[in-house]
Amino acid sequence: AQSVTQLGSHVSVSEGALVLLRCNYSSSVPPYLFWYVQYPNQGLQLLLKYTTGATLVKGINGFEAEFKKSETSFHLTKPSAHMSDAAEYFCAVKRAGGTSYGKLTFGQGTILTVHP
Amino acid sequence: EAQVTQNPRYLITVTGKKLTVTCSQNMNHEYMSWYRQDPGLGLRQIYYSMNVEVTDKGDVPEGYKVSRKEKRNFPLILESPSPNQTSLYFCASSLGTGTYNEQFFGPGTRLTVL
Repeated sequence: AQSVTQLGSHVSVSEGALVLLRCNYSSSVPPYLFWYVQYPNQGLQLLLKYTTGATLVKGINGFEAEFKKSETSFHLTKPSAHMSDAAEYFCAVKRAGGTSYGKLTFGQGTILTVHP
Repeated sequence: EAQVTQNPRYLITVTGKKLTVTCSQNMNHEYMSWYRQDPGLGLRQIYYSMNVEVTDKGDVPEGYKVSRKEKRNFPLILESPSPNQTSLYFCASSLGTGTYNEQFFGPGTRLTVL
């Protein structure tokens, strides 16, 4: 079975500061990893994804994440936070093979607050 | 515009009163799925459908039904809602089940069962 753990249900940063949202996964087979963002009263939007190849993945809105197999991690970062980054962020994993049938397994979410 | 739509967006109902939440996508996607979102638990899959007339249970299917009679529609049915089904529900679709296929999410339906 696969699982995702997001460390910290709430993260607060100042505008202009580094954003770091942590995600660790557990999977018996090589995983495909995703970060989604949910703005208030909206659905989920894909920020970035890791499938194969380069382990440093760049996404929209200046976010990036690095897949570290040895640490089973896929942390999300942004060098400089903007007020518009305030949202809830979800890490998710999908199996690379087997009977996954497209299922995404989500972490519990991290609410990012950005202070002026 | 390519999108996944859900109706209603907000619903307050009482225990035992049957309800249906509709989901429709206009992208000719084969795969559709329902999730519920609860604080501290993230999103959990309720049911999914690989194609027309092909549906299967996800992680939390108890108390829910689905149908897939047309490719574009995937309604979620609560035959006898209970308060523990109060949640935020999301429908999602993707072209296929492959890992390269991005899932597109609807705007969500906030359900309260009294």
